[in-house]
Amino acid sequence: DTGVSQNPRHKITKRGQNVTFRCDPISEHNRLYWYRQTLGQGPEFLTYFQNEAQLEKSRLLSDRFSAERPKGSFSTLEIQRTEQGDSAMYLCASRGGREGLPYEQYFGPGTRLTVT
Amino acid sequence: AQSVTQLGSHVSVSEGALVLLRCNYSSSVPPYLFWYVQYPNQGLQLLLKYTTGATLVKGINGFEAEFKKSETSFHLTKPSAHMSDAAEYFCAVSAHTGANSKLTFGKGITLSVRP
Repeated sequence: DTGVSQNPRHKITKRGQNVTFRCDPISEHNRLYWYRQTLGQGPEFLTYFQNEAQLEKSRLLSDRFSAERPKGSFSTLEIQRTEQGDSAMYLCASRGGREGLPYEQYFGPGTRLTVT
Repeated sequence: AQSVTQLGSHVSVSEGALVLLRCNYSSSVPPYLFWYVQYPNQGLQLLLKYTTGATLVKGINGFEAEFKKSETSFHLTKPSAHMSDAAEYFCAVSAHTGANSKLTFGKGITLSVRP
């Protein structure tokens, strides 16, 4: 099964430290999304890539957050100077197909970040 | 702009009973509508989706949902609950055209199934 994978699955860090998460999408998918899910809430959109281009960023993505997708394959999400409010599940999803069509987004298992 | 409202945060049913999870949406453009299920410590799995055409859509595990434009609703149902249905359920909407097809989710409903 070559689904979406995310690493690490869990990350505990101290406030002020930097963390980086990785997402490996389904290989033929050119679109990749990052979402954040806090306790008791639904996932919220963070950012979107089409191939290597980052085409949209949510206002939730402060300047401490940066995401990349070099060569249009895997993606990384980095949080600098973490705060306790960054504690959440970070979900990655990928999809193929053309824009504006209802292709399914396939989600990875997520990375749970705890900032102490 | 799009939004999703899921009424109630927790629904409890007996095994074998009808499951009804409510979802109302708001969208300025024709929507695509989705229901996802999330088991503990896992990602989201698509149950079903509405795009165009038939307003009653069937999904996996015996679930179905009906798109009602006049009521801006997309409620999820299952005739007979099974213990394995206990999970968190999210309704989501995306734009029909343009944009980047990002999903806007509701807050989710936790379904408990009593023996």
